[in-house]
Amino acid sequence: GNSVTQMEGPVTLSEEAFLTINCTYTATGYPSLFWYVQYPGEGLQLLLKATKADDKGSNKGFEATYRKETTSFHLEKGSVQVSDSAVYFCALSDAWDYGGSQGNLIFGKGTKLSVKP
Amino acid sequence: DTEVTQTPKHLVMGMTNKKSLKCEQHMGHRAMYWYKQKAKKPPELMFVYSYEKLSINESVPSRFSPECPNSSLLNLHLHALQPEDSALYLCASSQDRTVSYEQYFGPGTRLTVT
Repeated sequence: GNSVTQMEGPVTLSEEAFLTINCTYTATGYPSLFWYVQYPGEGLQLLLKATKADDKGSNKGFEATYRKETTSFHLEKGSVQVSDSAVYFCALSDAWDYGGSQGNLIFGKGTKLSVKP
Repeated sequence: DTEVTQTPKHLVMGMTNKKSLKCEQHMGHRAMYWYKQKAKKPPELMFVYSYEKLSINESVPSRFSPECPNSSLLNLHLHALQPEDSALYLCASSQDRTVSYEQYFGPGTRLTVT
């Protein structure tokens, strides 16, 4: 079945440091890939997405590239801010999963990021 | 506008109470979802509505009863809950569940069962 594995945190960085959160996936079809962010006490917000191999999603300085050869979708940001402190979820959605879960989101376990001033 | 709204924001209920959670979206989306999220965990799918029909019920206890009155509204009726049901309940919507479109989430209802 489909699955997502992401690095478990917590990750603690100083402001302006470089961020990488690793995410790899297993899928039987041609999934779309997403990063969601959840700030304390809030719901999930879509951060970025990629729908096919070699697509790069980007938003608010965050980037991730859909790598089919390594089945990866790592999240990166060149210079993190205190306001980026949150939990980040990698997720996939596969319309062609004949197990009946088409269109559903499969989440990784989440990575908590803390950025110190 | 990519907004999904949920009410109430917080809810405290006793084990004998009946309450309802509400969710609304005006993006014309035809799929709507209920998730349960415990602390430090990813959301767990509970129900999926597609074109106002229940298409997935992920083995959720009958004390949770979903309802989709129209394409913009989704309710979750709660009855005789247990303390372990305390969690953040998230609603989401997507354009169509048969295509891997992104889902948009509401802010959630923080439920405490006493």
